[in-house]
Amino acid sequence: DGGITQSPKYLFRKEGQNVTLSCEQNLNHDAMYWYRQDPGQGLRLIYYSQIVNDFQKGDIAEGYSVSREKKESFPLTVTSAQKNPTAFYLCASSIKLAGGPYEQFFGPGTRLTVL
Amino acid sequence: AQSVSQHNHHVILSEAASLELGCNYSYGGTVNLFWYVQYPGQHLQLLLKYFSGDPLVKGIKGFEAEFIKSKFSFNLRKPSVQWSDTAEYFCAVNAGSGAGSYQLTFGKGTKLSVIP
Repeated sequence: DGGITQSPKYLFRKEGQNVTLSCEQNLNHDAMYWYRQDPGQGLRLIYYSQIVNDFQKGDIAEGYSVSREKKESFPLTVTSAQKNPTAFYLCASSIKLAGGPYEQFFGPGTRLTVL
Repeated sequence: AQSVSQHNHHVILSEAASLELGCNYSYGGTVNLFWYVQYPGQHLQLLLKYFSGDPLVKGIKGFEAEFIKSKFSFNLRKPSVQWSDTAEYFCAVNAGSGAGSYQLTFGKGTKLSVIP
């Protein structure tokens, strides 16, 4: 089955610890994204990557870091510098449709709770 | 930079009622427009999209949306809702070309609750 997997589904960490969220896709998409979803806030872009070994900050990159060493993988690290890390994190990848726009596909998400 | 406004935070309807969710965007150039839905406990999935052609687009599950360029709007409609339409709905926009075409900007979402 083609798709985007995120693991784990639920993650608990103590305040002050860095934590890495996994995102893998087997859709052969070039671009990948990380969003944060908070109640009443919609989805906000943290980082995105158009190709391997390249990535750009989104609207709320502070306190986060990413890497893109492989096309299939785009892990997100939530560092201790992120002031309010408890949230639902969504990973996406996109493909450009022939004659159309980039269309994003989403993973199931990881709910991170920092205690 | 683009922005998206969804005016209703929570809409409550009875089954068989008609639905219209508002979405307005702010961007000076060509845009692509999307509606995504998030059912409880499920992935965010695409309902429909507009990028060119007929401004009235039809999506899955009987949903449709109309792009009105002069009003910068892309409202979502369904003539008769069902209990299974209970979900959160997000409007999103990206630029028609250039670096901004990679990025989606989302509205804050509208929760729809359908009462049987």
